Amino acid sequence: EAEVAQSPRYKITEKSQAVAFWCDPISGHATLYWYRQILGQGPELLVQFQDESVVDDSQLPKDRFSAERLKGVDSTLKIQPAELGDSAMYLCASSTRRGGTQYFGPGTRLTVL
Amino acid sequence: SQQGEEDPQALSIQEGENATMNCSYKTSINNLQWYRQNSGRGLVHLILIRSNEREKHSGRLRVTLDTSKKSSSLLITASRAADTASYFCATALYGGATNKLIFGTGTLLAVQP
Repeated sequence: EAEVAQSPRYKITEKSQAVAFWCDPISGHATLYWYRQILGQGPELLVQFQDESVVDDSQLPKDRFSAERLKGVDSTLKIQPAELGDSAMYLCASSTRRGGTQYFGPGTRLTVL
Repeated sequence: SQQGEEDPQALSIQEGENATMNCSYKTSINNLQWYRQNSGRGLVHLILIRSNEREKHSGRLRVTLDTSKKSSSLLITASRAADTASYFCATALYGGATNKLIFGTGTLLAVQP
């Protein structure tokens, strides 16, 4: 069964450093989502892509976070500089279309020291 | 921001017992979905109920939706140790520029063997 791939699975960094996460959605899925999940809470949407276009980044802290999906396939989420409060699980999900069932990857656990 | 609040926050039961989790939300929705998350992993889609539906079944899962009370419940019958996980409700509102899932705070279910 096809799955959403994410790497790395774990990342430890010091504050003020740059970090990047990668996501490869299920083949053929046009919609890609990045979520942040703080320990003990539900996921919160950071950014949503439809193909290569951003359709919702209202919750993305744009002063330090950026996301791209250049060819409409895989995607990268970057944080620069990282802050202590960025420690969380970063989840990627994809769906065949906007509003379709979302399939999640295993996530990247970020710890900022 | 979290749309849904789940109750209880944590639930511990014995194998074979039923587990009921409740979700309340604030705005009108197109559908409501339930997800499971095993410790430190990504989310798995369990079931979707549309706003014009009142009850839905899938295997050992039963979901109800009361749009007048803006609430939903998830019942897991004949629980197993493997059901131990966090369960999240997510509300979906699609239309125009708004097209995303908003997750609740989750219920941590522990099934004792």
